[in-house]
Amino acid sequence: DQQVKQNSPSLSVQEGRISILNCDYTNSMFDYFLWYKKYPAEGPTFLISISSIKDKNEDGRFTVFLNKSAKHLSLHIVPSQPGDSAVYFCAASASNSGYALNFGKGTSLLVTP
Amino acid sequence: KAGVTQTPRYLIKTRGQQVTLSCSPISGHRSVSWYQQTPGQGLQFLFEYFSETQRNKGNFPGRFSGRQFSNSRSEMNVSTLELGDSALYLCASSSVGWTETQYFGPGTRLLVL
Repeated sequence: DQQVKQNSPSLSVQEGRISILNCDYTNSMFDYFLWYKKYPAEGPTFLISISSIKDKNEDGRFTVFLNKSAKHLSLHIVPSQPGDSAVYFCAASASNSGYALNFGKGTSLLVTP
Repeated sequence: KAGVTQTPRYLIKTRGQQVTLSCSPISGHRSVSWYQQTPGQGLQFLFEYFSETQRNKGNFPGRFSGRQFSNSRSEMNVSTLELGDSALYLCASSSVGWTETQYFGPGTRLLVL
């Protein structure tokens, strides 16, 4: 049963514009959320995280927003760059279940020049 | 700091054989988690070890097992390999801390023929 869902398998954005990647979750016990970026033949690279006590976290061009009532989070990349082209995974964990990460199936982002 | 390392990077086995994969976490990290990535199922949690004890386990058959040594290095074993075990096996480590952000290695690509 998929507890973390990324409903858009792919997204194409022009360089310089904003990329918005979305993620929905079903388990209300999740209290820590992360975004990972993955290139082919490499392991996921940690991008940014947010705990359930916050609704926004920024790190440079990356901002994650959390809407607990809607069980929804999003990753904003501004401005998008061609090097951002990769698969982005949303993940969630619950502190009462050993911090096992539950991943979405990923969104493939293509940033075109 | 050196990142998470995994050996071997690639492996070919035949059905019925067994395989052992190795993971060395980031220095100072005491938690090691294992994940399986397949095209159909995405990234799925296998198990997590902390201070040589398994403290969380995903929904995989008993053919999948692991252990952690006193230096935090971890091994994962799959016995009686099946074709469906072909996947990218990822190891992630995290430090002791409530955020528990996990950092991934490059993975071991296993092909079962």
